[in-house]
Amino acid sequence: DQQVKQNSPSLSVQEGRISILNCDYTNSMFDYFLWYKKYPAEGPTFLISISSIKDKNEDGRFTVFLNKSAKHLSLHIVPSQPGDSAVYFCAASAGNYGQNFVFGPGTRLSVLP
Amino acid sequence: DTEVTQTPKHLVMGMTNKKSLKCEQHMGHRAMYWYKQKAKKPPELMFVYSYEKLSINESVPSRFSPECPNSSLLNLHLHALQPEDSALYLCASSQRTIMNTEAFFGQGTRLTVV
Repeated sequence: DQQVKQNSPSLSVQEGRISILNCDYTNSMFDYFLWYKKYPAEGPTFLISISSIKDKNEDGRFTVFLNKSAKHLSLHIVPSQPGDSAVYFCAASAGNYGQNFVFGPGTRLSVLP
Repeated sequence: DTEVTQTPKHLVMGMTNKKSLKCEQHMGHRAMYWYKQKAKKPPELMFVYSYEKLSINESVPSRFSPECPNSSLLNLHLHALQPEDSALYLCASSQRTIMNTEAFFGQGTRLTVV
């Protein structure tokens, strides 16, 4: 049973437009959420995170929104650039002793020039 | 220095071989992790070390043996692996495990078991 879900395996967006990647989770103990970007044959690169005490966190072109009641978060990339093309993983942790990052299956974003 | 360095980048080993994967970080992080990632799947947690002590073992077979010699180093010893163990093995570190912080990942070791 997947605790972290990313229901869109892929997403294509035109350069300059907004990319919205979605993530849902089932474990109500999760209180910290992260987005990672991964290029082929490389390790995941941390992008942005959000704690459950917030509903929004912004860093440059990246904004993460958290809706705790819906157990849903989303990553917005504005404006999208071709270099953003990668697989994006949503991850969650419960923040207790022995932090365990649980990853979603990933969404492959393609930004078209 | 915000890097997690993994060696080797690629490894091919036979089912009777013994080999080790190495991971190093100099960010002063006290939590280190091993993840396994199969093609087109998300990373899956194998082990967590917190302050050089094993705190999580996600029911990993004993043919994988982790070791944390000091706060900067993490090893994964491999013995008698199976072809299905072929995967990308990722090391990560984070500041602590008792507070929410992001994990930084290495580039991974691409392991092929023949």
